[in-house]
Amino acid sequence: GAVVSQHPSRVICKSGTSVKIECRSLDFQATTMFWYRQFPKKSLMLMATSNEGSKATYEQGVEKDKFLINHASLTLSTLTVTSAHPEDSSFYICSASTARGNTGELFFGEGSRLTVL
Amino acid sequence: GEDVEQSLFLSVREGDSSVINCTYTDSSSTYLYWYKQEPGAGLQLLTYIFSNMDMKQDQRLTVLLNKKDKHLSLRIADTQTGDSAIYFCAELDSSYKLIFGSGTRLLVRP
Repeated sequence: GAVVSQHPSRVICKSGTSVKIECRSLDFQATTMFWYRQFPKKSLMLMATSNEGSKATYEQGVEKDKFLINHASLTLSTLTVTSAHPEDSSFYICSASTARGNTGELFFGEGSRLTVL
Repeated sequence: GEDVEQSLFLSVREGDSSVINCTYTDSSSTYLYWYKQEPGAGLQLLTYIFSNMDMKQDQRLTVLLNKKDKHLSLRIADTQTGDSAIYFCAELDSSYKLIFGSGTRLLVRP
């Protein structure tokens, strides 16, 4: 099946620094990638939809200046958490849409756990 | 807005069947999904069903969709300890966004 890879899987940073998380589709071209945030014991909340070559569409309540998303190619999207604070600590998961068939399947990365000290 | 709801917890004995239920509100959903999340890991797509189907079977997994009641269920036959995980149902809305339920934690007792 399609593979989506996230890096890093875990990152610890100091408050005030910026952290970049990469999401790559390894064996298919992903026109659209999605970034989710998962809080402990809670569901995934869609943060933004990222289309290759255009600006990301952010969900209501998500600060676009804080969570910078870049989708520079059909296989790579990045999420940068700028000036991270402890409340940004979370599990961030990306997914990518595949054009195979009409199933609308999305494949998820393994997630990146961010801890801000 | 769109909403997807699931019960939070289910405990079954190994070898029994598990049934995880989900309700959703968006009648225009095209696809409905079941994902599995093991501790500390991302989500794994288990199965999906198109909205014009009532049932889909895939090995030990059976998905039932009642579109009138907006109710989706996942049945796992012969549940094994390796099936212990959190199961998320999700609907694909008309904007191609996945709306997730809160997840059901399945515990399989030996």
